[in-house]
Amino acid sequence: KAGVTQTPRYLIKTRGQQVTLSCSPISGHRSVSWYQQTPGQGLQFLFEYFSETQRNKGNFPGRFSGRQFSNSRSEMNVSTLELGDSALYLCASSLAGLGNQPQHFGDGTRLSIL
Amino acid sequence: QKEVEQDPGPLSVPEGAIVSLNCTYSNSAFQYFMWYRQYSRKGPELLMYTYSSGNKEDGRFTAQVDKSSKYISLFIRDSQPSDSATYLCAGQGGKLIFGQGTELSVKP
Repeated sequence: KAGVTQTPRYLIKTRGQQVTLSCSPISGHRSVSWYQQTPGQGLQFLFEYFSETQRNKGNFPGRFSGRQFSNSRSEMNVSTLELGDSALYLCASSLAGLGNQPQHFGDGTRLSIL
Repeated sequence: QKEVEQDPGPLSVPEGAIVSLNCTYSNSAFQYFMWYRQYSRKGPELLMYTYSSGNKEDGRFTAQVDKSSKYISLFIRDSQPSDSATYLCAGQGGKLIFGQGTELSVKP
């Protein structure tokens, strides 16, 4: 069974640009969550999508947004990129969401802002 | 105060040692607790997933949860160099909140 797939693996952008990251969950999983990982702040929850609806949201500015498609694939968008957005962005999927199901992670997209 | 506190280490032990990794949490809404292992340049890999207070064992790994003191632990028996990684504890109750991670190095 294929795991969570994230594309691209690496990305370099400049300040002010926008970026879209993609996540394909494990087959059959309907919940997709996004996280930001940095050395200083660790792993921080961005948001969760279930059946194309955002169900939970972390404490990030509105520049961070996402969506989920009918096939459960998800995209995350960051607009007006800042140097502090440099991080590893991780996607995790689960069968039914953050209530009572374990999250399985992809290997992430490493975003570098110049 | 962070909802999940974890000593970042680094922790270095000889091969074969018993490793004890610990976290405390403050959010009483957490119902589930997890331990993840993360190798360099990889995503976190789920090791243990527990609900109730008590112990859960899987091979060389034992997860322990004490809800009365809000304390969770992971024990690794007969540690191997391949166990060298960052270990993350997490609590789940609507959102998944992680500790900072403990960097473990097992020396041959």
